[in-house]
Amino acid sequence: DVQMTQSLSYLAASPGESVSISCKASKSISNYLAWYQQKPGEAYKLLIYSGSTLQSGTPSRFSGSGSGTDFTLTIRSLEPEDFGLYYCQQYYEKPLTFGSGTKLEIK
Amino acid sequence: EVQLVESGGGLVQPGRSLKLSCAASGFTFSNYYMAWVRQAPKKGLEWVATISTSGSRTYYPDSVKGRFTISRDNAKSSLYLQMNSLKSEDTATYYCARQLLWVSGVMDAWGQGASVTVSS
Repeated sequence: DVQMTQSLSYLAASPGESVSISCKASKSISNYLAWYQQKPGEAYKLLIYSGSTLQSGTPSRFSGSGSGTDFTLTIRSLEPEDFGLYYCQQYYEKPLTFGSGTKLEIK
Repeated sequence: EVQLVESGGGLVQPGRSLKLSCAASGFTFSNYYMAWVRQAPKKGLEWVATISTSGSRTYYPDSVKGRFTISRDNAKSSLYLQMNSLKSEDTATYYCARQLLWVSGVMDAWGQGASVTVSS
């Protein structure tokens, strides 16, 4: 199985700052990588797929980069509504696997 | 508006069975692959099952293969997860999810989840 590692489980930042969340795959997954956001009381939301393609409705301050084994989700100029949990997921092969999540909190 | 609403969760003893349902609305259900994903308490997400549009193809990870069965009723816009021989490690919130139409394996809509607790 492809192991997905999000090395930072917790990240604190202030509104207006930019942050990057990393995700590493245990083998090359090309660009078969998605990012999801979860906020308390809300359903999971797809942000990005194919490593860098924004899902419809995802604000342009979100961007994804990377290919192979190393991926990054960057959020420019944080808004209050951006705080929550972020997960990466590979869909290169089954079983589909997720990272352990990075919690983005307000500093 | 796309809506996925899970039901059927609850407390069940180890070794027993439980069936989850997911009612879909706001889109043409029969056009989409569907999936179940779970999240154990304080843990990350784990993919549980995927089903093709017609229901003829199903996919599972080894952790549930042979115990869980995903199915669908396109006439009722409903997705199901039959869970047999339940174990304590199956305790989790189970999410129904729609797969992106043009990218297999990516979930673009999620329900709020149904809680399943396996305990004696």
